[in-house]
Amino acid sequence: SQQGEEDPQALSIQEGENATMNCSYKTSINNLQWYRQNSGRGLVHLILIRSNEREKHSGRLRVTLDTSKKSSSLLITASRAADTASYFCATHTSGTYKYIFGTGTRLKVLA
Amino acid sequence: NAGVMQNPRHLVRRRGQEARLRCSPMKGHSHVYWYRQLPEEGLKFMVYLQKENIIDESGMPKERFSAEFPKEGPSILRIQQVVRGDSAAYFCASSPPTKGGYEQYFGPGTRLTVT
Repeated sequence: SQQGEEDPQALSIQEGENATMNCSYKTSINNLQWYRQNSGRGLVHLILIRSNEREKHSGRLRVTLDTSKKSSSLLITASRAADTASYFCATHTSGTYKYIFGTGTRLKVLA
Repeated sequence: NAGVMQNPRHLVRRRGQEARLRCSPMKGHSHVYWYRQLPEEGLKFMVYLQKENIIDESGMPKERFSAEFPKEGPSILRIQQVVRGDSAAYFCASSPPTKGGYEQYFGPGTRLTVT
């Protein structure tokens, strides 16, 4: 089974609101990454946070990492209709080559 | 700098036929990953390759599936004797030649439909 589990599975909000997605994982990690996937397209890398980091920002994105709880959250502030997509977390463990993807959160931003 | 390229974008095969999916990594990238995605699901790791080497194929079914990344040319994911359950989107990603933990750059995917 996948290591990463995102919740909620689906989220629907109004434009301008904030969207928060969570990712939980099971084993120790080297880093955790968030990706976006528009319908029918490949994944686009959003942000990478290393295991020794607690928070990272990129534009309207804010990612937190709590290694003690084995969880991460992705916050999108002031959402736009163009943010409508599926969002996945992916974990990387030291000493391995695998990236384990979560099941994704489908975000819908209503104009 | 062209991104990761995959072809074909769509592939239709009858049961029992062979499917060949190609992936050209970004320039300068020597690490290639293949993933499979079923509708409404996340990506499942299949195989990780470097030039001329399969490094980790633990996610790939033992039968009918094979992958290669030759010295010259694209990486190939080959599915022999396809079955309906092979219908999925197959994504390739590449990353720079450093030891793990870096972002991956994804191709647009190949959507395989088995009829």
